[in-house]
Amino acid sequence: ETGVTQTPRHLVMGMTNKKSLKCEQHLGHNAMYWYKQSAKKPLELMFVYSLEERVENNSVPSRFSPECPNSSHLFLHLHTLQPEDSALYLCASSQEARARWEKLFFGSGTQLSVL
Amino acid sequence: AQKVTQAQTEISVVEKEDVTLDCVYETRDTTYYLFWYKQPPSGELVFLIRRNSFDEQNEISGRYSWNFQKSTSSFNFTITASQVVDSAVYFCALSEAERDDKIIFGKGTRLHILP
Repeated sequence: ETGVTQTPRHLVMGMTNKKSLKCEQHLGHNAMYWYKQSAKKPLELMFVYSLEERVENNSVPSRFSPECPNSSHLFLHLHTLQPEDSALYLCASSQEARARWEKLFFGSGTQLSVL
Repeated sequence: AQKVTQAQTEISVVEKEDVTLDCVYETRDTTYYLFWYKQPPSGELVFLIRRNSFDEQNEISGRYSWNFQKSTSSFNFTITASQVVDSAVYFCALSEAERDDKIIFGKGTRLHILP
């Protein structure tokens, strides 16, 4: 069983749809992250959760809404997205959130296409 | 400000050749951490190595080696006797241990190993 699992792997949605991305980690970590990977851009940190509490929100538009019901699960709820939101969305986890020497464990990502 | 530069966007080499991926960073802090991650076609980033700013000793792990030089603010990654399975996107990243800042990723270098 892989450490960080993301579903779905691929998602195509219209601009008026509502969908959710799911992430689950089986590593017993306390911190979980959402990253956005667009073509030809560095990875962009979107949200950080530490022990189910959001500790970082990097000016992400409100059409992206995260949810962390427990330390093993993380969701990203999507609504009224724009075509420029098409990207690979990666979930990651680490033992702690604030320890900057922590290595991150990533899922395989959800490739999102907004039509 | 933090900055990580991976000047090589894409590299192609023939199998069994050696290849070096460059990473140059900028930081005003004396304490920081540098990372390399590998992103194979499956999507998930995989942690390769972490160095702190006080440890300039070069490291070798099998066919992989890393050259950390504070004098030139570089943390280069060399693959010896490359193999097709090394084909991936490689990311260099920087975090500052004392600040509550994000981990900054470079834009990545896409490496093609040709059979």
